[in-house]
Amino acid sequence: QKEVEQNSGPLSVPEGAIASLNCTYSDRGSQSFFWYRQYSGKSPELIMFIYSNGDKEDGRFTAQLNKASQYVSLLIRDSQPSDSATYLCAVKKVEGAQKLVFGQGTRLTINP
Amino acid sequence: DADVTQTPRNRITKTGKRIMLECSQTKGHDRMYWYRQDPGLGLRLIYYSFDVKDINKGEISDGYSVSRQAQAKFSLSLESAIPNQTALYFCATSDLGYNEQFFGPGTRLTVL
Repeated sequence: QKEVEQNSGPLSVPEGAIASLNCTYSDRGSQSFFWYRQYSGKSPELIMFIYSNGDKEDGRFTAQLNKASQYVSLLIRDSQPSDSATYLCAVKKVEGAQKLVFGQGTRLTINP
Repeated sequence: DADVTQTPRNRITKTGKRIMLECSQTKGHDRMYWYRQDPGLGLRLIYYSFDVKDINKGEISDGYSVSRQAQAKFSLSLESAIPNQTALYFCATSDLGYNEQFFGPGTRLTVL
């Protein structure tokens, strides 16, 4: 089992709809969770992080965390073509040295 | 100027050659990381360094070595390149107690 798993997609969503991206993780000791966006040929950039159960909203983006079920999700409301990218879920483990473990990424396409 | 820079941006080399990828940062961060990205596999950690005297192996360090010349510089070497090291390589930095890693623009390496 991979430490961090995402559906690689591609996920296709019509413009203006809600895009839902999911991520599961295997280590119950994981403390912080990150969503990065990566445009084709570019480097990843942080969209949001979350460390408490529940929802965290930032503009059109909402991160949801459920530690009991070991999943984290990212919702994008009013999807725009500019949201088309690969979204990487990353998990920070506390034990030992702090480092991020990344999922394989979900490719999202927003169709005009 | 970019906060995290990588040189070269693109490199084509032959099997058996020694290659060095360089990373410099002006963010003043202590922590630096090298990742490789392959299609469908997300980002995988090669090496990381929490200060000039601290070097740690990541999940895929075989075939690679690193040097932390200064707080701002972290180099990745392939002593004898092989074709399956063809990938996109990213350097990243973070601060102590970070909630974000900042990525460089990447180096696309092709080993023939």
